[in-house]
Amino acid sequence: AQKITQTQPGMFVQEKEAVTLDCTYDTSDPSYGLFWYKQPSSGEMIFLIYQGSYDQQNATEGRYSLNFQKARKSANLVISASQLGDSAMYFCAMREAIFSGAGSYQLTFGKGTKLSVIP
Amino acid sequence: DSGVTQTPKHLITATGQRVTLRCSPRSGDLSVYWYQQSLDQGLQFLIQYYNGEERAKGNILERFSAQQFPDLHSELNLSSLELGDSALYFCASSAKNSYEQYFGPGTRLTVT
Repeated sequence: AQKITQTQPGMFVQEKEAVTLDCTYDTSDPSYGLFWYKQPSSGEMIFLIYQGSYDQQNATEGRYSLNFQKARKSANLVISASQLGDSAMYFCAMREAIFSGAGSYQLTFGKGTKLSVIP
Repeated sequence: DSGVTQTPKHLITATGQRVTLRCSPRSGDLSVYWYQQSLDQGLQFLIQYYNGEERAKGNILERFSAQQFPDLHSELNLSSLELGDSALYFCASSAKNSYEQYFGPGTRLTVT
């Protein structure tokens, strides 16, 4: 079963506008975390933001914020004031423990959303 | 720049061959993770090492193996290569008490 679902294969947004990229997840682990990564056409994976399942407040990093709705199992990324450089693939990922030892976990990624910023 | 380095950046080889991909984690990071990104499978977790010990295995083929050395750099060995092994291979690292994984620039492997 797919654990991370990104339903928007592609999105367009006007420069300077805000955009929301959707992510829903499925886990039975009470302790988990959600990540967003950006992958420009050059290929590198850039860490954007992290939200832990026990965090009370939504994570924010500059123009990025994570709209975490635990009951709905959603962790949407909001990018404010879009810039041309934001055009890229965006991946949502979930951290799950896969071993009882400390520091043992893996990231499961969604299929990504391609964001295009229009001037 | 994440601080994670990977070499080589590109690798072209033939089917049946063996290659080694190298990763140096960020200074002080003890955990190293390997991921494979292909068009059909997306991004998949392969294996994790923590301070030299294997900690977790994902969808890693038996033809693939990895190790982490005392200086904490890691190598991913891919043998008996097939066309379907062509992909972007990422290494990521994380600090001891952090969940955040920082990715290297990747090694693009092309098997012909």
